[in-house]
Amino acid sequence: GQQVMQIPQYQHVQEGEDFTTYCNSSTTLSNIQWYKQRPGGHPVFLIQLVKSGEVKKQKRLTFQFGEAKKNSSLHITATQTTDVGTYFCLSNDYKLSFGAGTTVTVRA
Amino acid sequence: NAGVTQTPKFQVLKTGQSMTLQCAQDMNHEYMSWYRQDPGMGLRLIHYSVGAGITDQGEVPNGYNVSRSTTEDFPLRLLSAAPSQTSVYFCASSYSMADSAELFFGSGTQLSVL
Repeated sequence: GQQVMQIPQYQHVQEGEDFTTYCNSSTTLSNIQWYKQRPGGHPVFLIQLVKSGEVKKQKRLTFQFGEAKKNSSLHITATQTTDVGTYFCLSNDYKLSFGAGTTVTVRA
Repeated sequence: NAGVTQTPKFQVLKTGQSMTLQCAQDMNHEYMSWYRQDPGMGLRLIHYSVGAGITDQGEVPNGYNVSRSTTEDFPLRLLSAAPSQTSVYFCASSYSMADSAELFFGSGTQLSVL
């Protein structure tokens, strides 16, 4: 089953607003990866986090790995219509099975 | 490099028919895997392989067979299709499972079983 839980499952955002999506695990993770899937497309790798407390930025996207390495977050600043899609987290601790993802829609 | 190539893109089957979904990668990746994606369920792992001649089951293997005779190819076989296998199927590869390398995905196969 899904060992890494993602919340929320759906996120409806006004264009220009910020939002955060989370991945939570009951056990310590060795690493976490984030992927984005545009509607009708395939998942595409965004980033990998490995170290406790690690923070990485990609333009308006900020990724964080928790100090205990049990959770991770993706924060998007000033949401744009190009951010529409489903965001997945993945840890190879679970045979590379993904969580259900957070599906993001944007209101213009 | 073509990356990960999946064929066909669309397929309609009748219940009980068999078929093979093809997946090929040209990146010399050790790890290959098959996922199915259903609404609200995310991506669920069907089978995976860590090298030629080595395969293992994922989360939802029932009704599917795989083999890995070469590094490049990892076909997924449905022996007797059922309506519950209607889904979008993705093949993925990475240079290593152990080193947490990124996954590269094919463009998917949309399968309908009537």
